[in-house]
This record gives sequence, C-alpha cells and structure tokens, in this order.
Amino acid sequence: KQEVTQIPAALSVPEGENLVLNCSFTDSAIYNLQWFRQDPGKGLTSLLLIQSSQREQTSGRLNASLDKSSGRSTLYIAASQPGDSATYLCAVKGGTSYGKLTFGQGTILTVHP
Amino acid sequence: NAGVMQNPRHLVRRRGQEARLRCSPVKGHSHVYWYRQLPEEGLKFMVYLQKENIIDESGMPKERFSAEFPKEGPSILRIQQVVRGDSAAYFCASSHKGYYEQYFGPGTRLTVT
Repeated sequence: KQEVTQIPAALSVPEGENLVLNCSFTDSAIYNLQWFRQDPGKGLTSLLLIQSSQREQTSGRLNASLDKSSGRSTLYIAASQPGDSATYLCAVKGGTSYGKLTFGQGTILTVHP
Repeated sequence: NAGVMQNPRHLVRRRGQEARLRCSPVKGHSHVYWYRQLPEEGLKFMVYLQKENIIDESGMPKERFSAEFPKEGPSILRIQQVVRGDSAAYFCASSHKGYYEQYFGPGTRLTVT
C-alpha cells in the first residue's frame, strides 16, 4: 500500500527566502508525481507534474525534483512571496492502481512580509 | 476552455437525507475521479470512473455511497442517508487518460446537520 509523507507539516518563513518542501513515498513503482497548491476553502491547483522517467520540472520560481529509487521528491520555491502562503500537497500515481492519486498530508506554508 | 466544474459548491443536508454531488469534467476528458477531504485530514481517493464504467472503487465506503458517470451528462456522487461523519469537502478530478495529469474542480462542501 502506497504511503506518502510530507515534511515539514508547517513552515513559516520571511519574504524572500528560498525554501524546500519534502515528500517521500513508500512504493517506488510510480507513474508520476504531482505537486499541488491548496488555498483555504478552495480546490487544488496543479503546480508541477513529474513523470517517472524525469528527474525534475521547473515552472517560474518553482522547481520539483524526483528520485524514484529512493522514493523522494522535493519542491523548491525561490524568492518566496506572501502570495505563496498556502498548503502544498504532494501526490503520487502508480502501483497496481494506475488511476488514483495518493496524497500526503501537506505542508502549510506561511510567508510573512 | 472551462475546467472541471462541480455543483453545488456548498450543500447542507439533515441526517438521513440524500446528497447528490455533480461533476462535469474538462471537455474531452473521459476519466473522472472523486476524492474526499475530511476536516483535519488529507485527501483520500474514493472512486475512479471512465464513461459508463467503474474502474476502481477501492476507496468508497461499502454502504450508502455510489457513483456513476453516464454516457451523457455529469458524473454523480450519491450519498444516501447522510450522517454527520459525511461532512467533508468532496473533490472531483478529470484526466484525458488514466495515467495522465489530473485536473481538480473547486469541490463541494457538504455539511450534515
């Protein structure tokens, strides 16, 4: 059974800092991994998708890496801004059920001015 | 270029009533997924459907819950005889194919009184 863990559970940083969010998963037989952002009371916004054959993906100030063999992914946010404050979720797809996503509990990020 | 649409956005039901949640996928997507987010818990997979077929219902409670995705019209998640423990945010996602990126709707927040 796939399990996804995100560390830290919460993070508070001053504006401008670079930061790293961590995600680990127990079953390395994945198709892909997605990072999402969720604002309070809102839906999920997909940030980055990394296929199992890829090592990293970049979008603007975001960079996600994937080390499938060790079951780890990191989301790097450069030059953080107050508008980045949200919950960040990591989800993996794969194993015996190729459709469903298994989510981590999320990291609550607060960027203060 | 509409994304995933869900309605209603908020739904209040008394214990014992039925709840019907609707999801219209991204145009051209034939794969739909339902997830539930209980208060203070992570997102959990419920069911994966492809037009007129249930592909994976391993996350669905055995009783009172059912889902369908007919040939025409939206996907429906139906909860019969709701109880307070059903209060949660229910999210629908869609994808072009089963192992492709999933796009999420804004969710339906169900409150059972």
